Amino acid sequence: GQNIDQPTEMTATEGAIVQINCTYQTSGFNGLFWYQQHAGEAPTFLSYNVLDGLEEKGRFSSFLSRSKGYSYLLLKELQMKDSASYLCAAMDSNYQLIWGAGTKLIIKP
Amino acid sequence: GAVVSQHPSWVICKSGTSVKIECRSLDFQATTMFWYRQFPKQSLMLMATSNEGSKATYEQGVEKDKFLINHASLTLSTLTVTSAHPEDSSFYICSARDPARESNEQFFGPGTRLTVL
Repeated sequence: GQNIDQPTEMTATEGAIVQINCTYQTSGFNGLFWYQQHAGEAPTFLSYNVLDGLEEKGRFSSFLSRSKGYSYLLLKELQMKDSASYLCAAMDSNYQLIWGAGTKLIIKP
Repeated sequence: GAVVSQHPSWVICKSGTSVKIECRSLDFQATTMFWYRQFPKQSLMLMATSNEGSKATYEQGVEKDKFLINHASLTLSTLTVTSAHPEDSSFYICSARDPARESNEQFFGPGTRLTVL
């Protein structure tokens, strides 16, 4: 079956670094997405990886290892506004997104 | 670019009535749109994939006669919740893919919060 696993909740300190892991199993693979979702709002796109390696975009970076079915989202210089849920989603061979349950990130001062 | 709008943002209705939610791609043509439902503190649940000019593909467990989807044009898809009941109260979100982009990214609308009394 198809499955996405990511931690339910993480806590980090303002100014620090946090890594949110995601493992996936899909029928075929057309890329791995990370979305940010604040409470009561729709998800917003953060990153897309289809090749192995690290993609850096400002304070946020995303890593993919296709052979391991593994990705992580790295957030640096954490700000209070980064408190949100982070959704990992893998796209299968039918170009359908398989969603993880999301990781709620709590930032403390 | 790649903006998706939804209307209404929120709606309150009486049990037994029908509610229509519109999803529009404002600056691109979307041959495929997706409808999701999200209950509090839960992840997105795909309800159906809407294809322009053809019938929607519903996920297992989603009643197609209750959740009517019409994708009449390349920029508009509608979801009608028929005979709504309190258990249908949820956050409904649409997304669309821009076929002109290679990233396969889905662009999300702002969501519609439905409360059925």
